[in-house]
Order: sequence, then C-alpha cells, then structure tokens
Amino acid sequence: GDSVTQMEGPVTLSEEAFLTINCTYTATGYPSLFWYVQYPGEGLQLLLKATKADDKGSNKGFEATYRKETTSFHLEKGSVQVSDSAVYFCALSDRASSYKLIFGSGTRLLVRP
Amino acid sequence: KAGVTQTPRYLIKTRGQQVTLSCSPISGHRSVSWYQQTPGQGLQFLFEYFSETQRNKGNFPGRFSGRQFSNSRSEMNVSTLELGDSALYLCASSLEAEIITDTQYFGPGTRLTVL
Repeated sequence: GDSVTQMEGPVTLSEEAFLTINCTYTATGYPSLFWYVQYPGEGLQLLLKATKADDKGSNKGFEATYRKETTSFHLEKGSVQVSDSAVYFCALSDRASSYKLIFGSGTRLLVRP
Repeated sequence: KAGVTQTPRYLIKTRGQQVTLSCSPISGHRSVSWYQQTPGQGLQFLFEYFSETQRNKGNFPGRFSGRQFSNSRSEMNVSTLELGDSALYLCASSLEAEIITDTQYFGPGTRLTVL
C-alpha cells in the first residue's frame, strides 16, 4: 500500500541555519504531496502542497519540490527561526484513497537561539 | 472565521468504559475526517464522513465508530476502552474532502488517556 518515509528526528539547528527534512513516498498512482506542521499543543496546519510532478510548494519561507523520478518531497528552508520549532509531517493522498491522508512518522525540529 | 473545534480537549477514562468525542467543522465544510495520533503508530486515519455518509474507513476495530449530523458536526465513539486507545484524536474538515484540491483544516485534538 501507499506509504511515506521521513527522516528520523529530532533535528537540532541553530537560528539562521539551513533546513532540510527528507521525505520519500511509495504510491501506486500519482499522489498529491503535503507538508503539515504541528506546534506544541496544537493540531496540524497545512504548510504547503504539490499536486503533480515538478510542482514546487512554498509558504513562509519553506519550499518542497515534487520529484517523481526520486519519489521525494524534501522540505527546505534557507534560514530557520526559533519559532519554526515544531513537528513536521510529510503526507500523501492519491486518487485511490482521495478521502484520506497518509502521513509519515513526523520529524521534530528544534531551533536554538 | 472560526476554526475546527473539538470537545472535550482532555479526557481521562478507565478500561472498559466508552467515550464520545465531538468535532464541529468550519462553517460551510461538509467533510469531516478523524485521525488517531500515538507516539508508536503516528497519525492513522480512522474514518471520513461527507453529508452524513461514511465514505472511507481505516483499519480500526469495530469498537471505533462515528457519525455525522445534518449540520456537519461529527462524533466518534470508542467502546470498551483499552489502554492502547490512549491517544490524541484529531478531527479535520474540508469543503468536499477531495484532498487533491481541497485543504484539510485540523482541530487542536482531544487527548484521551485510558487508565
């Protein structure tokens, strides 16, 4: 079945460092891909999404490009802030299961001042 | 615009009891989905409702059930609680739940602890 694999955390960075969180997927069809963020004590918020190959999703300085050839959707940010500390989830949805999201295990990011 | 609201936010129950969780979607949203979040299993899909009909169900035992009302509010019920049911239960709403085009908005969750 469809699945999402994320890099293990926690990821600890200093403020203004470059961030990459790896995400790869397995899907039988042509899924849409998402990054969600969960701040402490809160629900999930959609960070960005991409619906077809080579699409780039971007929001709040975060970017991710849908790479069909490598089945990847890595999250990047050029300069992280302390306020970016949260848990980041990669997720997919495809036409076969269009009513649900399949999530990766989540990657905790801790940004130190 | 008010977001997705879930009640209660925290709940403590004992094994064998049953529990009902409530979710009020964003106004105008007709689809409600439920997810279970645990440290061991991560985020897992429970079920999704649209216009009072369950359209999709995850791999959970029959003890987990849900329903949606005509005003799109949804409840989920867990009967005969087990220790492993301790989790954060998240509700999400969207206009139609064609996830490829719609955005799912999540509530803050209900933290259920089973003793």
